[in-house]
Amino acid sequence: AAGVIQSPRHLIKEKRETATLKCYPIPRHDTVYWYQQGPGQDPQFLISFYEKMQSDKGSIPDRFSAQQFSDYHSELNMSSLELGDSALYFCAGYKKGINTGELFFGEGSRLTVL
Amino acid sequence: LAKTTQPISMDSYEGQEVNITCSHNNIATNDYITWYQQFPSQGPRFIIQGYKTKVTNEVASLFIPADRKSSTLSLPRVSLSDTAVYYCLVGDLDRGSTLGRLYFGRGTQLTVWP
Repeated sequence: AAGVIQSPRHLIKEKRETATLKCYPIPRHDTVYWYQQGPGQDPQFLISFYEKMQSDKGSIPDRFSAQQFSDYHSELNMSSLELGDSALYFCAGYKKGINTGELFFGEGSRLTVL
Repeated sequence: LAKTTQPISMDSYEGQEVNITCSHNNIATNDYITWYQQFPSQGPRFIIQGYKTKVTNEVASLFIPADRKSSTLSLPRVSLSDTAVYYCLVGDLDRGSTLGRLYFGRGTQLTVWP
């Protein structure tokens, strides 16, 4: 079965550069969540989208922005990268209304800022 | 938002039953309790979800007392491959007009020894 696809899997950037991460949820999943997980840290909620509209916002820096497109894929745009942005970024998909509580996570995109 | 508290780490041996307890004193009426498992550099994976009493699936059981202020994940006969971080999350992804969010608190590092 198709899973959540994230790309790129690995990304290396310099300070002050920009990066874009992409997330393709499972077909028919209308909700996307983004999480950031630093080394040895627990996942931190960044932002979520439902039906292409931002639904909730967590600890996402102002330098970051995200959106969900008509095909339900989502992109996380990060600008003015800092060393502290080095982390594993996960996206997770969900189909609202089925109430299983099961978020389907991708394998993550590892961002390294040098 | 309900905050969760779990032990930072636990050790067990192969074949033993492991019980991980999570405290969530300010759980809301609509909140469900969901447990995830995470291996290093991988996305979290859903284990089990419950609202009250006991839930069992092919991999685990979840015990929730009547006051719902805590929950216990029970893993029967663990193996080496169960070594992972386990997260207890409280929330409701389908809550009304405002989508709930799932916050990852400090997880429990379970180490299974031969």
